[in-house]
Amino acid sequence: DIQMTQSPSTLSASVGDRVTITCRASQSISSWLAWYQQKPGKAPKLLIYKASSLESGVPSRFSGSGSGTEFTLTISSLQPDDFATYYCQQYNSYFLTFGGGTKVEIK
Amino acid sequence: EVQLVESGGGLVQPGRSLRLSCAASGFTFDDYAMHWVRQAPGKGLEWVSGISWNSGSIGYADSVKGRFTISRDNAKNSLYLQMNSLRAEDTALYYCAKVKNADSKYFDLWGRGTLVTVSS
Repeated sequence: DIQMTQSPSTLSASVGDRVTITCRASQSISSWLAWYQQKPGKAPKLLIYKASSLESGVPSRFSGSGSGTEFTLTISSLQPDDFATYYCQQYNSYFLTFGGGTKVEIK
Repeated sequence: EVQLVESGGGLVQPGRSLRLSCAASGFTFDDYAMHWVRQAPGKGLEWVSGISWNSGSIGYADSVKGRFTISRDNAKNSLYLQMNSLRAEDTALYYCAKVKNADSKYFDLWGRGTLVTVSS
């Protein structure tokens, strides 16, 4: 199975900060990567698919980049609503795998 | 309203069985593959199983293969997960999730989840 490694596991930031989360795949997954946001007690929400395509309704401060084995999710200016946990997910193979998550906390 | 509603969770003893259901509404259910994803308390997301629109293609995570069976009834707009030989490590919130497009494997609609607790 393809392993997905996210870093950092926790990130402390302030409103207005530029935030970058990294996701690395154990083998090439082309651009078959999605990013989700999850808040406590809620289901995950799709943010980005195909590595860089923004889901409809998601603010443009979210962006994704990368291909092959290294990917990033960037929040250009962190807003109060963005404090949450973020997960990457590869879908290169039918055996889907998620990263371990990155919790974005208030500094 | 477009939604997925899971049910069937509960407290079950190790080695016993449980059947989860997911009722879909607001979209053409049989146009989309469907999946189960779980989240152990305080942990990350783990894909469990997926099924194509016509049940022709099915996959399972290694952790549940041989114990769990996914199925769907398109006439009832419903997805199921039959869980046998349950273990303590199967304790989790189980989400039902819809793929965004017919040929995609990422999820644009999730239910609220149903909690399965395996304990004696």
